[in-house]
Amino acid sequence: QKEVEQNSGPLSVPEGAIASLNCTYSDRGSQSFFWYRQYSGKSPELIMFIYSNGDKEDGRFTAQLNKASQYVSLLIRDSQPSDSATYLCAVNDNFNKFYFGSGTKLNVKP
Amino acid sequence: EAQVTQNPRYLITVTGKKLTVTCSQNMNHEYMSWYRQDPGLGLRQIYYSMNVEVTDKGDVPEGYKVSRKEKRNFPLILESPSPNQTSLYFCASSRNREQPQHFGDGTRLSIL
Repeated sequence: QKEVEQNSGPLSVPEGAIASLNCTYSDRGSQSFFWYRQYSGKSPELIMFIYSNGDKEDGRFTAQLNKASQYVSLLIRDSQPSDSATYLCAVNDNFNKFYFGSGTKLNVKP
Repeated sequence: EAQVTQNPRYLITVTGKKLTVTCSQNMNHEYMSWYRQDPGLGLRQIYYSMNVEVTDKGDVPEGYKVSRKEKRNFPLILESPSPNQTSLYFCASSRNREQPQHFGDGTRLSIL
């Protein structure tokens, strides 16, 4: 069974701080990695995607991928209360399937 | 506006009564997928489709059927629903299997 593991949280950070969200995956054949944000009762919305080892930055968000360690992370700089949500890590495999972690709940305190 | 449209948004029904949840996308995407989301279990893939007439099982396909007769539509069929299929369902689409997926607004199904 292929797995994507995330700490369920909640992760609490003060406004303006850096939030660090982590994800590990079991399938070494995974090629594409995604971070989604999901507000309560809403559908997931894409935050970042990354395909290659290293860092990828987009505004306040940085995705980091380490395929050797089977680890992908999301950093949120200057966290805002509006960033409070559940963050889902998603990974595809070599057989066209997608696997999601159960999500990390982030609370940004004003 | 680029979107994935699911219907209905909410449905309460009874065990054994066949139902269909429709999904339509207007982005000419090849890859479409159905997920269910349950508390503590995250999103689990039910079925996916690589293109018209090409469908395959995800991680939790039991009790579900799908079809892909047109590129834009990917309905989810529960032929004999049971209470353990009570869940929040999402349809998603992407250009291909390596691209980010766009999600519909979700369908909350309750099966009594």
